[in-house]
Amino acid sequence: SQTIHQWPATLVQPVGSPLSLECTVEGTSNPNLYWYRQAAGRGLQLLFYSVGIGQISSEVPQNLSASRPQDRQFILSSKKLLLSDSGFYLCASSRGPNQPQHFGDGTRLSIL
Amino acid sequence: EDKVVQSPLSLVVHEGDTVTLNCSYEVTNFRSLLWYKQEKKAPTFLFMLTSSGIEKKSGRLSSILDKKELSSILNITATQTGDSAIYLCAEIYNQGGKLIFGQGTELSVKP
Repeated sequence: SQTIHQWPATLVQPVGSPLSLECTVEGTSNPNLYWYRQAAGRGLQLLFYSVGIGQISSEVPQNLSASRPQDRQFILSSKKLLLSDSGFYLCASSRGPNQPQHFGDGTRLSIL
Repeated sequence: EDKVVQSPLSLVVHEGDTVTLNCSYEVTNFRSLLWYKQEKKAPTFLFMLTSSGIEKKSGRLSSILDKKELSSILNITATQTGDSAIYLCAEIYNQGGKLIFGQGTELSVKP
């Protein structure tokens, strides 16, 4: 079965600082990978998804970017964080487009 | 873009009660419907429903899809305090496997 590793678990950053969140997947090859943000403990919003190395689709215009340098590595970045970037960030992986997505434990990001 | 709506948004019951959570979706690019349970961290996968009328069951939890009504229900029988969580419903809606999530139902089971 798939295991999704995310780190760090919590992060406190000042406004204007850069960000890099990493997600790695074990137990499958060539997964579809996803980054979500969850605000106030409710509905998840899809930020980015990737069907292969170097292939990134952005769902909403924002201050963030994503990269997939290796098959099972997905990185969420920002050059300059905004207060509105605070939230709970979740990485997910699926074996294919019509397969269940499985989630990592998430990173709780607070911007001060 | 398709939309997923869950009801109720929150629910408080006592141990031993049976609960039914509802999820409705729009159909433009529907592929499958998924249910997740979220406690403090990651949502954990419960069920994936693709065909109408076929019940999926796991212990005290069961779920069914009604494509005619564009809806799904999640039933939990003989609830326990450990069932307290947010239950999320999501639709896989296009070729990329993208999920659209509902707002979630927050279930609280009192002893």
